[in-house]
Amino acid sequence: DIVLTQSPLSLPVTPGQPASISCKSTQTLMHSDGKTYLYWYLQKPGQPPQLLIYEVSNRFSGVPDRFSGSGSGTDFTLRISRVEAEDVGVYYCMQTKQPPFTFGPGTKVEIK
Amino acid sequence: QVQLIQPGGEVKKPGSSVKVSCTAPRETFRTSAIYWVRLAPGQGLEWVGQIIPFYGAANYAPKFQGRVSITADESTSTAFMEVSSLTSDDTAVYYCARGTPSGGPNYYIDYWGQGTQVIVSS
Repeated sequence: DIVLTQSPLSLPVTPGQPASISCKSTQTLMHSDGKTYLYWYLQKPGQPPQLLIYEVSNRFSGVPDRFSGSGSGTDFTLRISRVEAEDVGVYYCMQTKQPPFTFGPGTKVEIK
Repeated sequence: QVQLIQPGGEVKKPGSSVKVSCTAPRETFRTSAIYWVRLAPGQGLEWVGQIIPFYGAANYAPKFQGRVSITADESTSTAFMEVSSLTSDDTAVYYCARGTPSGGPNYYIDYWGQGTQVIVSS
């Protein structure tokens, strides 16, 4: 199975400041079709998860441009250029390169 | 915005089964996959399985194989996830989610249902 690890697991942030979360995979997430199947989701308190970034670096519809994704192979990063209060919640990376599909353990972002 | 409709919650006894429904727009059933993901207390998100209704084929996470059955009824655009031999470890919020095709065999989750709380307690 592909294991995803995230760091940090807890991230206190100051509004207006940048933040970044790392996601590392035990295997490359690049498929033989040339695409890399790594996604980022945010689960706000009391809500279902929502898609932020698909296939490493593509912002989903309606996602603010302060969110960006980068990386390749086994190392990926989600960046928030200027954190806002509404960004609190748990951030998960997920891979769908091969089943069983797996999630990272989650990074809890909270305001300082 | 795509709406996936799930019931609010269920309380079940250990050893029993639960069947959770997920009603999607008709177009979703014709072109997408339906994922099932759970979130147990104090845990992270966990993939349970998925089905592509157009083909009718389901895939399961190994830990759920043999104990979970995912089906789809095209006539009502509703997917179902049945979990048998419930234990307290199955207490969780179960989400269905739409898997959008991204080319080739891959479907990625873009929209989620509100979730169904399943409590297993004697």
